[in-house]
Amino acid sequence: SAVISQKPSRDICQRGTSLTIQCQVDSQVTMMFWYRQQPGQSLTLIATANQGSEATYESGFVIDKFPISRPNLTFSTLTVSNMSPEDSSIYLCSVEVQGNTQYFGPGTRLTVL
Amino acid sequence: AQKVTQAQTEISVVEKEDVTLDCVYETRDTTYYLFWYKQPPSGELVFLIRRNSFDEQNEISGRYSWNFQKSTSSFNFTITASQVVDSAVYFCALRGISGGYNKLIFGAGTRLAVHP
Repeated sequence: SAVISQKPSRDICQRGTSLTIQCQVDSQVTMMFWYRQQPGQSLTLIATANQGSEATYESGFVIDKFPISRPNLTFSTLTVSNMSPEDSSIYLCSVEVQGNTQYFGPGTRLTVL
Repeated sequence: AQKVTQAQTEISVVEKEDVTLDCVYETRDTTYYLFWYKQPPSGELVFLIRRNSFDEQNEISGRYSWNFQKSTSSFNFTITASQVVDSAVYFCALRGISGGYNKLIFGAGTRLAVHP
């Protein structure tokens, strides 16, 4: 398995501002993933982040709104830009290890006022 | 297209009852993986089990058991003698590997409430 930490664990932000979420894993991994979970909903993949290349975004998500960095094999950041109340969600990062299993971080609970 | 259906939105049981959470999937891949995750109120997603498409053997882990049937495209999860600590949202997920496609597709989730 993998031990994943996220910062911050939660935040309350004002409309129009940006928040950067950090994801740290305790081992080197090729692929990291960012998901959004809106209140009462399932998980939706935002993008896949490979080290050394640009992130691959899913339909409905764009780089200008959710820029991602992947500077090394243990770390990634997701920025939620120009936030609106609709961005209020839990944001989770995950990594894929050991036989194609994804392990998830504890999540970042974001509230936008 | 790949899809996971969890038809049960919410289930409520009394402690010690057995409960089965249903999961039906759709995929054209011949090789794929199925997963169950638990999300307690704290919000963290906890991995429970992975099954690959070539292994239809059912699995038991303590009070948890999983029934994988390719003929009906189902991967159901049973909790025996449920406990209050089992209260959570449970997600079934599908991962295909054709063409380098490695995205997890999640079902809508089933919220399980176990009452004392």
